[in-house]
Amino acid sequence: AQKITQTQPGMFVQEKEAVTLDCTYDTSDQSYGLFWYKQPSSGEMIFLIYQGSYDEQNATEGRYSLNFQKARKSANLVISASQLGDSAMYFCAMRGSGGSNYKLTFGKGTLLTVNP
Amino acid sequence: NAGVTQTPKFQVLKTGQSMTLQCAQDMNHNSMYWYRQDPGMGLRLIYYSASEGTTDKGEVPNGYNVSRLNKREFSLRLESAAPSQTSVYFCASSEVLQVGGYTFGSGTRLTVV
Repeated sequence: AQKITQTQPGMFVQEKEAVTLDCTYDTSDQSYGLFWYKQPSSGEMIFLIYQGSYDEQNATEGRYSLNFQKARKSANLVISASQLGDSAMYFCAMRGSGGSNYKLTFGKGTLLTVNP
Repeated sequence: NAGVTQTPKFQVLKTGQSMTLQCAQDMNHNSMYWYRQDPGMGLRLIYYSASEGTTDKGEVPNGYNVSRLNKREFSLRLESAAPSQTSVYFCASSEVLQVGGYTFGSGTRLTVV
């Protein structure tokens, strides 16, 4: 079974500062993928960034980077230079391999508020 | 625009009524999914279809049925709605080996009274 844990129900950050959203995972699969999604108040799910378990470098997409520490089973999202539009719910998710390859398992999310 | 289309966007049901949530994707993806989102719970998988002709239970399948009508369409049916099924429902699609994310529909907000 796969499990995603997001321990921060809510986070606050000042505009233009960096923020790290925590995510730890548990799986017995050797090959897996880790995802971060953003859900603004409008409700849609927006894909942000992906990290494969065999990727040697941390994934980056613009202001988003994923701090992947495989031995610690963590996949933290780092948002640099926060903007007011970054205020949203953020979900960490993973996809395993084999029989669980098709399924995304989500954490409970972190609500990020960016203050001006 | 290519994507995942869900209908309806909003629905109010009375306890015991039935309804079907529709989902269609035009990205030629093989896999489709239904999730529900409840406050403080994240998204939980109800059912999924790895490919046309197959469906499997997810984490919370009780009270639901699904039909993979063809490669494009995957419907979710509530046979006898209960207040516990009040939730936001998301349909999604993906390719199994696609590097990257899944594509989600815009959601259906269902209230059962």
